[in-house]
Amino acid sequence: SQQGEEDPQALSIQEGENATMNCSYKTSINNLQWYRQNSGRGLVHLILIRSNEREKHSGRLRVTLDTSKKSSSLLITASRAADTASYFCATDLNNAGNMLTFGGGTRLMVKP
Amino acid sequence: KAGVTQTPRYLIKTRGQQVTLSCSPISGHRSVSWYQQTPGQGLQFLFEYFSETQRNKGNFPGRFSGRQFSNSRSEMNVSTLELGDSALYLCASSLIAVSSYNEQFFGPGTRLTVL
Repeated sequence: SQQGEEDPQALSIQEGENATMNCSYKTSINNLQWYRQNSGRGLVHLILIRSNEREKHSGRLRVTLDTSKKSSSLLITASRAADTASYFCATDLNNAGNMLTFGGGTRLMVKP
Repeated sequence: KAGVTQTPRYLIKTRGQQVTLSCSPISGHRSVSWYQQTPGQGLQFLFEYFSETQRNKGNFPGRFSGRQFSNSRSEMNVSTLELGDSALYLCASSLIAVSSYNEQFFGPGTRLTVL
């Protein structure tokens, strides 16, 4: 079963616009990670935010984490056609190893 | 540094057969995890190996098994294939033991089709 639910399931925007994706999860976590996947290929790690962090930035990416609401958001600013991909949040439930539980993903399409 | 490699990239099998997939982690990485991705169930954790020991196992039947060799390369095996095993199988490696402090690097995946 999936730990996280992502919203929206699909998002279509124009190049230059911002894209916001949300992730909600059910149980306490150690950290939350965001990944990108291009058309059924491997996953690319974007950013990791720990449970004691509230916000993190990496280039055009901004991630927030609200542990009281068990939710996170990924903001991509000034989107480009190359950002077209599926985006997944993943949670680490324990410290016993590398075991991630993924959300259902958001399919982002950026139109040129 | 070379990334995570998976072989083969594509595989077609028939029901009842068995299959072995291979994953070579990034040099120096000792943790290898396997995930199954299907349109219906999404990305699901299969198992994780660290220093040749299985540390975590997901909720999959015993037909799914794996192992890790002393050079950290890992294989997963699926026996008695079913149509529902058709999926993209992803392997990920990471440098240290716990995901709280390091990212996982994913390979391109093996696309398995069961006919």
